[in-house]
Amino acid sequence: AQSVTQLDSQVPVFEEAPVELRCNYSSSVSVYLFWYVQYPNQGLQLLLKYLSGSTLVESINGFEAEFNKSQTSFHLRKPSVHISDTAEYFCAVRVADSSYKLIFGSGTRLLVRP
Amino acid sequence: DSGVTQTPKHLITATGQRVTLRCSPRSGDLSVYWYQQSLDQGLQFLIQYYNGEERAKGNILERFSAQQFPDLHSELNLSSLELGDSALYFCASSVGVGSNQPQHFGDGTRLSIL
Repeated sequence: AQSVTQLDSQVPVFEEAPVELRCNYSSSVSVYLFWYVQYPNQGLQLLLKYLSGSTLVESINGFEAEFNKSQTSFHLRKPSVHISDTAEYFCAVRVADSSYKLIFGSGTRLLVRP
Repeated sequence: DSGVTQTPKHLITATGQRVTLRCSPRSGDLSVYWYQQSLDQGLQFLIQYYNGEERAKGNILERFSAQQFPDLHSELNLSSLELGDSALYFCASSVGVGSNQPQHFGDGTRLSIL
């Protein structure tokens, strides 16, 4: 069975500091990987995705994630965070078989302080 | 704006009652997914429809049912409601059923059972 582990439930950082949100997955088949962000009282927004090709993927707002197959990880990073990045971040996998569901991690709350 | 519309945004009802949640997918998307987000279970996949037909089922209770109509909107019906059904219910849509297609989420319906 596939699973996703987000090791940190909350990550507090100061504004303009770098941050890494960790995500590990387990799967015996090929997976597609996603990061979603949920701002307070809002739905989930797709932040970035890894489908194939380059293992480093970037979003338009400065986040990046690197797919590491040997370590089964897909950590999310940003070199300098803003107050507006405060949100809940979810890592998700989608297996490349006949089931089409997303399997989500438990989420990491990023709290950016001034 | 993801293009996925969910109504109502909030729903308050009592135990034993029945409710219907509605979802309109993005224009052109044929696939609709339902997820439940609760404090104890996190984000859980419930069910998926593609072009009117059920395609995948997750941890959906027998008291819950869903359907997708010819105009591609979907409804999630929850009956004999219990306190534990209180949660945020998300609908997501994608163009097709390929595992590499990202899902776009609506803002959710917050269901509160009193």
